[in-house]
Amino acid sequence: EADIYQTPRYLVIGTGKKITLECSQTMGHDKMYWYQQDPGMELHLIHYSYGVNSTEKGDLSSESTVSRIRTEHFPLTLESARPSHTSQYLCASSEARTGGYEQYFGPGTRLTVT
Amino acid sequence: GEDVEQSLFLSVREGDSSVINCTYTDSSSTYLYWYKQEPGAGLQLLTYIFSNMDMKQDQRLTVLLNKKDKHLSLRIADTQTGDSAIYFCAEKGGGFKTIFGAGTRLFVKA
Repeated sequence: EADIYQTPRYLVIGTGKKITLECSQTMGHDKMYWYQQDPGMELHLIHYSYGVNSTEKGDLSSESTVSRIRTEHFPLTLESARPSHTSQYLCASSEARTGGYEQYFGPGTRLTVT
Repeated sequence: GEDVEQSLFLSVREGDSSVINCTYTDSSSTYLYWYKQEPGAGLQLLTYIFSNMDMKQDQRLTVLLNKKDKHLSLRIADTQTGDSAIYFCAEKGGGFKTIFGAGTRLFVKA
């Protein structure tokens, strides 16, 4: 079973607030990812990381930022939340295995900005 | 660029077989995946197939790969109501990133 955690699971917050979504994995994976997904819709990669101190923007432009100071931790921050940020945010990690880079996903954070 | 396409909806009766189809564009894909997402949860890897394989079977799941046509399918035998979910086709793109399709919503009618 994958050991990747996200907190909080649900967050309702007002416009203009700063928020940090937490993601941690205990598998020692180098690669980590953040996806944005509207409920029941496709995934959009917004950030990824090759390893410690390495972060890259994904395919979908996002106003969020990420950091990777420790292998196991990949938090995502929104400096000033807006209603357009309302979505589900999924964190994932991967490493090279016999199945290629199969990804392990956290349960997601459902963010609502009012 | 790399792209993965799949139909958005599929409805089947309980006990029937479900076939979910997917096409991809990257001919250099080495791994192709099927992920399952249940409501309110993250994605879970169901199965994968290496590009030099034509078929892979794992209990009720059968994956068929037609590399010439860049077509991947997932067959679920004896579909149950618990199989109702969104199924994502994905390919290993350049480097280590995974390219996901938009997902097929499977509805299983009792």
